[in-house]
Amino acid sequence: EAGVVQSPRYKIIEKKQPVAFWCNPISGHNTLYWYRQNLGQGPELLIRYENEEAVDDSQLPKDRFSAERLKGVDSTLKIQPAELGDSAVYLCASSPLAGGETQYFGPGTRLLVL
Amino acid sequence: QQQVKQSPQSLIVQKGGIPIINCAYENTAFDYFPWYQQFPGKGPALLIAIRPDVSEKKEGRFTISFNKSAKQFSLHIMDSQPGDSATYFCAAKRGAQKLVFGQGTRLTINP
Repeated sequence: EAGVVQSPRYKIIEKKQPVAFWCNPISGHNTLYWYRQNLGQGPELLIRYENEEAVDDSQLPKDRFSAERLKGVDSTLKIQPAELGDSAVYLCASSPLAGGETQYFGPGTRLLVL
Repeated sequence: QQQVKQSPQSLIVQKGGIPIINCAYENTAFDYFPWYQQFPGKGPALLIAIRPDVSEKKEGRFTISFNKSAKQFSLHIMDSQPGDSATYFCAAKRGAQKLVFGQGTRLTINP
């Protein structure tokens, strides 16, 4: 069974530029999460989807971050414009159950904003 | 109340030793406590998890000890191997709410 797929794996951009990350969850997993992991820290939830619906986006900085999960499968997270402090690893995870306890993480996208 | 505090920040153990990583929480409503293992360049992977109705859970060489009254839980790795060298995160969750992660422990097992 294929795991969670994320692309790109690495991205270097200049501040104020836009950037987008893509995630394809494990087949059949209705719950999808986006996390941000700062260097030397644990992941922090940005947004959780149940199918197409964002059920928890309280930690998403909505002035510059947006996300979508059209058709309830793959998802895109966008930052526009990027700031220096956005440098981090962006992780996508999926779970077969709503509010699922077992979350399967992708390898992440490492973003560096210069 | 949403914090999970993890210690130590880093740990070096000789092969065959038993590293112990500790976590403390405040929110008594948490009902699920997993440990994740993360290798460089990879996402975290679930290692083992426990619920507060049991005091210990063992899976292979990994054991969680849970102390509900102290609001603490810990991970023990028996017969540690160099391949166990990774960053370990504890986490906690209440029902369908989000996972709250600790700060991580970088574990090194020397051969």
